[in-house]
Amino acid sequence: QQQVKQSPQSLIVQKGGISIINCAYENTAFDYFPWYQQFPGKGPALLIAIRPDVSEKKEGRFTISFNKSAKQFSLHIMDSQPGDSATYFCAASTGNQFYFGTGTSLTVIP
Amino acid sequence: ETGVTQTPRHLVMGMTNKKSLKCEQHLGHNAMYWYKQSAKKPLELMFVYNFKEQTENNSVPSRFSPECPNSSHLFLHLHTLQPEDSALYLCASSQVLGTYEQYFGPGTRLTVT
Repeated sequence: QQQVKQSPQSLIVQKGGISIINCAYENTAFDYFPWYQQFPGKGPALLIAIRPDVSEKKEGRFTISFNKSAKQFSLHIMDSQPGDSATYFCAASTGNQFYFGTGTSLTVIP
Repeated sequence: ETGVTQTPRHLVMGMTNKKSLKCEQHLGHNAMYWYKQSAKKPLELMFVYNFKEQTENNSVPSRFSPECPNSSHLFLHLHTLQPEDSALYLCASSQVLGTYEQYFGPGTRLTVT
């Protein structure tokens, strides 16, 4: 059973556009929702994270929107740049357990 | 060196071989993790260590054997692996165990022939 469902699997966006990646979860015990960015040949790196007591968190061009009642959260990348081309993973965790989505391959076209 | 380092970066081994993966963190963290990353699948948490003590083993086959001699080093000993074990193995650490930022190493690309 997949604990965190992520979509889309791949995404192509024009430079300057908005990239949106969505995730859904079932376990209401999750209390930490990070997004990771991974470039080829590198390990994932934390991009931004949110806890369920907040509905939105913004850091620069990256925003997490969190809908606790719908058990969904999403990553918005504003003014997408070619350097943002990478694989993005959402995750959810509680205690000792960490669950990741299957990843979204983002390509930003110049 | 800084951050989380992993060696080797690439490893090819036969099904009857025994090899070990090494992870070292230079961040002063107390929790360390092993993950398996396969194509088209979510990262799978394999083992969790907190202050050198194993706290989680997510039903990982016994052909994978972790070792954590201190809070800075983590090993994954491999023996009699199967071709389906071919994957990227990632090590991560965090300041403390729980819902805190994890720092990942670059991974070891393992191929089992």
